Amino acid sequence: GAVVSQHPSRVICKSGTSVKIECRSLDFQATTMFWYRQFPKQSLMLMATSNEGSKATYEQGVEKDKFLINHASLTLSTLTVTSAHPEDSSFYICSARAGGTRGGSTDTQYFGPGTRLTVL
Amino acid sequence: GQQLNQSPQSMFIQEGEDVSMNCTSSSIFNTWLWYKQDPGEGPVLLIALYKAGELTSNGRLTAQFGITRKDSFLNISASIPSDVGIYFCAARNYGGSQGNLIFGKGTKLSVKP
Repeated sequence: GAVVSQHPSRVICKSGTSVKIECRSLDFQATTMFWYRQFPKQSLMLMATSNEGSKATYEQGVEKDKFLINHASLTLSTLTVTSAHPEDSSFYICSARAGGTRGGSTDTQYFGPGTRLTVL
Repeated sequence: GQQLNQSPQSMFIQEGEDVSMNCTSSSIFNTWLWYKQDPGEGPVLLIALYKAGELTSNGRLTAQFGITRKDSFLNISASIPSDVGIYFCAARNYGGSQGNLIFGKGTKLSVKP
């Protein structure tokens, strides 16, 4: 299957700092990438949809000024958590849409390995 | 909004036993996907289903896209210790925001050697 990487896998930062997480599709081009947040023992919560060359679409309740998303190329999307606070500590997972036409009948999402963010 | 009801929430089984889990919804979907997530890792795609009634296998895993398009099941035969993890169903429709995946709450599988 398609491979998606995330960097870093783990980050610890001080409150008030900003953290950037990268998501790359390694062997395919992804016009659409997604950012999820997952709390312990919970399912994945979609934060935003990132479209190459255009603004991200944020889910209700997700602050776009706090979670900045940039999808600068067909293989890279970044999520920047600005002015991080302890409540932002979580497991952040990206996914990339591959195959078929965008939103079409046979495209599939492949997930990155996740980034564990801890804000002290 | 659209929701997926995944059951059971957790299962404790003996190695070698078969496992069955399912997802249901009151909404119709065009695609069903099953993922497995190990602790501290991202979900890994197991099986993708694109047609109502479709039955697809991947090794010891078998999944079916319900004929009503409102449900799907995943079976694991002859379970082994490495099957341990959380299994998520996911579903979506085509196009725009409808193309975003909706996830079930997961089934946590524990296997006793």
